[in-house]
Amino acid sequence: DVKVTQSSRYLVKRTGEKVFLECVQDMDHENMFWYRQDPGLGLRLIYFSYDVKMKEKGDIPEGYSVSREKKERFSLILESASTNQTSMYLCASRTQGQPPYEQYFGPGTRLTVT
Amino acid sequence: QKEVEQNSGPLSVPEGAIASLNCTYSDRGSQSFFWYRQYSGKSPELIMSIYSNGDKEDGRFTAQLNKASQYVSLLIRDSQPSDSATYLCAVSLGRTALIFGKGTTLSVSS
Repeated sequence: DVKVTQSSRYLVKRTGEKVFLECVQDMDHENMFWYRQDPGLGLRLIYFSYDVKMKEKGDIPEGYSVSREKKERFSLILESASTNQTSMYLCASRTQGQPPYEQYFGPGTRLTVT
Repeated sequence: QKEVEQNSGPLSVPEGAIASLNCTYSDRGSQSFFWYRQYSGKSPELIMSIYSNGDKEDGRFTAQLNKASQYVSLLIRDSQPSDSATYLCAVSLGRTALIFGKGTTLSVSS
């Protein structure tokens, strides 16, 4: 079974803090993703990575950066947290090889910025 | 703009009935299609993937794909209260990131 883990289930941070959200997968997947999910807005892609040290912007990258130093680990960084970044953050990992390329989510981190 | 459309619901069905969830997509180049189940406060869980036209069955779930009509559906037979959740449809154009619909809320009453 695919296992995607995220460092925290719940996190409370103050405005202006630098926040690190970590994600680890154990299936040697090349592709990893960060989303945020907000009521009424659905899932929105922040960043994704096709390989180590490679990253691509998603639909809403502003205010975020990412790091992929090792294949199994993909980190999302909020450079200076703001209240509008309060959200559920979801990491995902995707299979490669033959389609369909199935994507699996971690348990999510509910971040509150006060 | 690539879009995936779902009726937000709620879709209400009695226990034991068949629930039918529908999804349309705008890009004819879409290749793979997925259904996720998401319970309140939890992350999405992959329940079905389909790549070829036709039906794919897994237990009580059947995914149906019609590429000509750009339509994919999920049937849940013998619906149970535990099936009450939001169901997300997602499509892929190959190796790119998935495009998600906003989900349909299903409520199964006992």
